[in-house]
Amino acid sequence: DAEITQSPRHKITETGRQVTLACHQTWNHNNMFWYRQDLGHGLRLIHYSYGVQDTNKGEVSDGYSVSRSNTEDLPLTLESAASSQTSVYFCASSGRVYGELFFGEGSRLTVL
Amino acid sequence: AQSVTQLDSQVPVFEEAPVELRCNYSSSVSVYLFWYVQYPNQGLQLLLKYLSGSTLVKGINGFEAEFNKSQTSFHLRKPSVHISDTAEYFCAGKTQGGSEKLVFGKGTKLTVNP
Repeated sequence: DAEITQSPRHKITETGRQVTLACHQTWNHNNMFWYRQDLGHGLRLIHYSYGVQDTNKGEVSDGYSVSRSNTEDLPLTLESAASSQTSVYFCASSGRVYGELFFGEGSRLTVL
Repeated sequence: AQSVTQLDSQVPVFEEAPVELRCNYSSSVSVYLFWYVQYPNQGLQLLLKYLSGSTLVKGINGFEAEFNKSQTSFHLRKPSVHISDTAEYFCAGKTQGGSEKLVFGKGTKLTVNP
C-alpha cells in the first residue's frame, strides 16, 4: 500500500542547532506539504511543493526551508532551531484536481 | 479571505447520543470539502469528502456530512457516538483560483463520556 512516512517521530534538540525532518511518500503525488500543529492554532502551512524543483512559502515559513530533488521526498530544515519551533510537524501529499491530502504520522520536535 | 470556520472548539457528549460538528466555508473556498479525524498522538486521516453529486456524504465509522450550498455549510453528524469517537475533527476545503492547497478549520475536540 502507498504511504507517507516521517522521521524521526520524536526529536529533542538545542536552540541554534540545525534540524532536518524527513518526509517520504510512495503515492507518486506531485504535491507535498509541511504543516505545524500547535494548541489553539490548528494546522498552519509552512512550505509546499507542486513538483520537483518547485518550492513555495506558506503562512509560517520564517526559519524553515525545503528542497525537492525528487518526487518522493520533501525534507524540512530548521536552519537554527528556536524554542518557538517546538511543535508537532506533519507532512502531507496530494494528487491534482481535488486536493485530498494524505498525512504522515507526525514528528514531535522539542527545542530546549 | 479564503476560510473554513468550525463553530465549536469543544463538543462534549454522552455515549450513544447523536452529535453534530459544524463547519462553514467562505464563498472563495471551492466545493471540494473534507472532514479529517485525528486520534491522540496520530496523524490526520480522511473521514469523508464531498466532491460533487449527492449532498449527503457517508464516511467511515458511521459518520456522514451534508453539503449545503445555500448556507455554505458542511456539517458532520453521527446518530450514536462511541467512546472511541473521542478525537479532534478538522473540516477543510480546497482553495479556489488554481491552488492545490487545502484550508483547514481550527478543529473541534469531540469528547465522548460514558
